[in-house]
Amino acid sequence: NAGVMQNPRHLVRRRGQEARLRCSPMKGHSHVYWYRQLPEEGLKFMVYLQKENIIDESGMPKERFSAEFPKEGPSILRIQQVVRGDSAAYFCASSPRDSSYNEQFFGPGTRLTVL
Amino acid sequence: AQSVAQPEDQVNVAEGNPLTVKCTYSVSGNPYLFWYVQYPNRGLQFLLKYITGDNLVKGSYGFEAEFNKSQTSFHLKKPSALVSDSALYFCAVRDMLSGNTPLVFGKGTRLSVIA
Repeated sequence: NAGVMQNPRHLVRRRGQEARLRCSPMKGHSHVYWYRQLPEEGLKFMVYLQKENIIDESGMPKERFSAEFPKEGPSILRIQQVVRGDSAAYFCASSPRDSSYNEQFFGPGTRLTVL
Repeated sequence: AQSVAQPEDQVNVAEGNPLTVKCTYSVSGNPYLFWYVQYPNRGLQFLLKYITGDNLVKGSYGFEAEFNKSQTSFHLKKPSALVSDSALYFCAVRDMLSGNTPLVFGKGTRLSVIA
């Protein structure tokens, strides 16, 4: 059973470009979470999705950031018009259905560098 | 609102000595508590969790944690530290009544085990 997969692992963008980060949850998992980690800081929640639904986006910046988890395919975190402050590690986690007490399984992360 | 505090940014331990990484939490109801470890340039790996029952929880790699409701703490412990335990450790909490919501993470504690 493959774990949570994220790609790319490293992404370099110039200011103003778009960044697309992909996350494939573990098989059988229908809940996806995105977190951002700045250097020497903990993980900050961004958005929680189930298939075709955004459940909680309270941690997502109001502008430039969007996320989706389509019926087919990976979850996508999209950052438009990136700025240097967007440079961070972005982690995706997944968990099974009806699992408030289950741990989340994390992917290896995408490290975004904005030049 | 849920919150987690890890009061120590850095913990240094000699190899072979016992280690403790501290965590305190705040939730409205009863907590689900988790410990994760992060090695350099990697995602988070699950170590252990407290759901209910025995206050002493045993997890991966010889780690254990003790849930103390009166002190609202969930400290991570290991009887004999290894150099390979050097990593960043995160405590996380979810309120039992909040459903499958995102985890709230502490800022992390960097453990350094010295040979």
